[in-house]
Amino acid sequence: NAGVTQTPKFQVLKTGQSMTLQCAQDMNHEYMSWYRQDPGMGLRLIHYSVGAGITDQGEVPNGYNVSRSTTEDFPLRLLSAAPSQTSVYFCASTPYLVTGELFFGEGSRLTVL
Amino acid sequence: DAKTTQPNSMESNEEEPVHLPCNHSTISGTDYIHWYRQLPSQGPEYVIHGLTSNVNNRMASLAIAEDRKSSTLILHRATLRDAAVYYCILETSGSRLTFGEGTQLTVNP
Repeated sequence: NAGVTQTPKFQVLKTGQSMTLQCAQDMNHEYMSWYRQDPGMGLRLIHYSVGAGITDQGEVPNGYNVSRSTTEDFPLRLLSAAPSQTSVYFCASTPYLVTGELFFGEGSRLTVL
Repeated sequence: DAKTTQPNSMESNEEEPVHLPCNHSTISGTDYIHWYRQLPSQGPEYVIHGLTSNVNNRMASLAIAEDRKSSTLILHRATLRDAAVYYCILETSGSRLTFGEGTQLTVNP
């Protein structure tokens, strides 16, 4: 099983450029979320979604947009990248209404110059 | 969001038990306690979770205090592969997990 797949694994951007981090899961999970992890820090929640068409903000949503048009996909968009967005980004999913395991992708390492 | 407090680091010897503590004094009655671990350059991995009763699975045990204001993750026999950052997390409504900075566990051979 593929689980949670993130692309790209590595990306370098210049300040002001835009890009989309892709996240796809094949487990039919309703809940998906994006976290960022800065060096030596824990994960911080950016945005999350409890189902197709429904998104909400986490702790650090500024500078990021999300949408959820299908159950499988939850892309994270950076409209105008800033050096402060240099981080490792993790996507995660879990069945909503079922408290249990959160499945994480392998991460996407983003550097903004 | 509900907060947890963990020691920054702990050390253990291989094949010995490890007790990783977590304080969560502001926990509410419906918050689940989760533990995840993160190996270097990998995404977090689920370890265990519970609400009120102690829980056991193939990876670890979770001991929850009677007042639920603290919990302990128990690794019964640490191996070198258990060296990781361990996160104690409270799950608030809607499967929203807020990670702290975790405990770096070092396992000595």
